[in-house]
Amino acid sequence: EVQLVESGGGLVQPGGSLRLSCAASGFTFSTYWMTWVRQTPGKGLEWVANIKYDGSEIYYVDSVKGRFTISRDNAKNSLYLQMNSLRAEDTAVYYCSKGGHCDEWGQGTLVTVSS
Amino acid sequence: DIQMTQSPSSLSASVGDRVTITCRASQGIRNDLGWFQQKPGKAPQRLIYAASTLQSGVPPRFSGSGSETEFTLTISSLQPEDFATYYCLQHNSYPYTFGQGTKLEIK
Repeated sequence: EVQLVESGGGLVQPGGSLRLSCAASGFTFSTYWMTWVRQTPGKGLEWVANIKYDGSEIYYVDSVKGRFTISRDNAKNSLYLQMNSLRAEDTAVYYCSKGGHCDEWGQGTLVTVSS
Repeated sequence: DIQMTQSPSSLSASVGDRVTITCRASQGIRNDLGWFQQKPGKAPQRLIYAASTLQSGVPPRFSGSGSETEFTLTISSLQPEDFATYYCLQHNSYPYTFGQGTKLEIK
């Protein structure tokens, strides 16, 4: 059974940083693209970034380029999202998703950017 | 960026009804589209990939069709557990983009 467990969310002030983690199990992590998607409270879904299985290709939505960094550690079956220079509009539930096309999802972790 | 326009944004229907949700892409995306269902407080779940292929375990009352710029998700006979919000996702070109969602409510 595929399991994706996000952690690292919380309350942070504008301009601050957070690092999200996603622990994966139940599949061969090192052979799958992985994706981060976010959902602002009461709103729709926004694709944020994805990373190829070996880390050799990475893509971001424009609104996070230069501030967020997606990475992975295949030895630890883990996906990460380093978020710097956080803004109020980054407040959202962040989901980790298996595959480049989001075929399985974690339960999400809430990030709140507020002073 | 490719814009995905879903319609309607909300829909009231009854158990047993047939409903159709549409996603239109601002440019051709072949069949690089998935459909997702999200229930309140839960993560989305993929129902359909490659525009028309049913995800394993998804009931056959769900079906998808379309290509290039127009896509539909059809539920042939609504069940109580189908009342949720539905999203499409294009993965033809970066950045990938979701439709704005269709909230399906009980009439």
